[in-house]
Amino acid sequence: GAGVSQSPSNKVTEKGKDVELRCDPISGHTALYWYRQSLGQGLEFLIYFQGNSAPDKSGLPSDRFSAERTGGSVSTLTIQRTQQEDSAVYLCASKPWDSVYGYTFGSGTRLTVV
Amino acid sequence: QKEVEQNSGPLSVPEGAIASLNCTYSDRGSQSFFWYRQYSGKSPELIMFIYSNGDKEDGRFTAQLNKASQYVSLLIRDSQPSDSATYLCAVKWEYGNKLVFGAGTILRVKS
Repeated sequence: GAGVSQSPSNKVTEKGKDVELRCDPISGHTALYWYRQSLGQGLEFLIYFQGNSAPDKSGLPSDRFSAERTGGSVSTLTIQRTQQEDSAVYLCASKPWDSVYGYTFGSGTRLTVV
Repeated sequence: QKEVEQNSGPLSVPEGAIASLNCTYSDRGSQSFFWYRQYSGKSPELIMFIYSNGDKEDGRFTAQLNKASQYVSLLIRDSQPSDSATYLCAVKWEYGNKLVFGAGTILRVKS
């Protein structure tokens, strides 16, 4: 596609429920990143996928968070047993693996846990 | 701990003035530096990147890098109200493939 696509754009969920957030990167971009941004805060790295390599999961805040990337394209970030502190905007970004430039972000998913 | 530091602001400048945004980073081996602009409620947008010491100019924007001082800045000339946004500094550490972001500086350009 023309840009990084994320869905849903907004998600309100009850505390304790599981949620899935989807990211469709730019076609041909092998590197995919998930970040989250809490209100008034900077971007916090969560996870990075590069081709068929093992993902860099070093930013996942707890074992309630997981992500997968199928077929080297679409990625899903799953949050189990959501907590109120999980409320944030979840941003996905992608770039060609060998690009020296920064990455292109999607429009994000605003998650609200009530 | 590796960090990217920015003054949160808000930085207020009058229309037509030069806005100067600053960023320091802790990883001496870092090679690539980026400035993103983020309008309220929107996702970050890349506006500048720099990886050599000195200045890099693109239109009204100039990025300045001093690796010895671990300092990178963004100058916006002839500031416009449409430049009002949060500016995020991002650094690619020497090792690894992710960008580490500062918390951002809020810029307000008053007409």
